[in-house]
Amino acid sequence: DTGVSQNPRHKITKRGQNVTFRCDPISEHNRLYWYRQTLGQGPEFLTYFQNEAQLEKSRLLSDRFSAERPKGSFSTLEIQRTEQGDSAMYLCASSFSGRAQYFGPGTRLTVL
Amino acid sequence: GENVEQHPSTLSVQEGDSAVIKCTYSDSASNYFPWYKQELGKRPQLIIDIRSNVGEKKDQRIAVTLNKTAKHFSLHITETQPEDSAVYFCAAMNFGNEKLTFGTGTRLTIIP
Repeated sequence: DTGVSQNPRHKITKRGQNVTFRCDPISEHNRLYWYRQTLGQGPEFLTYFQNEAQLEKSRLLSDRFSAERPKGSFSTLEIQRTEQGDSAMYLCASSFSGRAQYFGPGTRLTVL
Repeated sequence: GENVEQHPSTLSVQEGDSAVIKCTYSDSASNYFPWYKQELGKRPQLIIDIRSNVGEKKDQRIAVTLNKTAKHFSLHITETQPEDSAVYFCAAMNFGNEKLTFGTGTRLTIIP
């Protein structure tokens, strides 16, 4: 499968724990995006990378959230001290230089 | 920032009939308008997109129209089939900021 992949697909954690998600983009894509989707809503932009540089961060991305793309390939999204309000589907997308964004299957986070 | 409104929130049509979903956007700088289809528990799947230098684009049973003056765009699905049942999201973006802003979605149900 040459599409965007994400791991894990599901994560259940207790409030206050840290979690990390991984996204592997389509191999030739230089841009990588993170979105969050809650039930019944459209995805909301969190942040994006061009190669290894993080170029924009949404106000939704509090200090507890950090994203990296160290070698310009895969990316990780870490949430520290999780809260129940962090429960959502975290979607990754990739694109090549201003073309269409293609989404991964998402990581569903449940914070108990 | 950009704001995208989408109507209707739910739509039921008889198999074989046409379905139309409408979106409006607020930022006149937006120049790219994709449509995504999301089945339950699956990733958003890009089905068609249009750039602001084009008024209409068609791909088999799916078409999108754009009115830049009125800042609205629409998705048209003809000869609907049961597999068209899903949630459809419109989105808008300015290629300068790379951030997709999504509508709230339309749940389309095709009645056999």
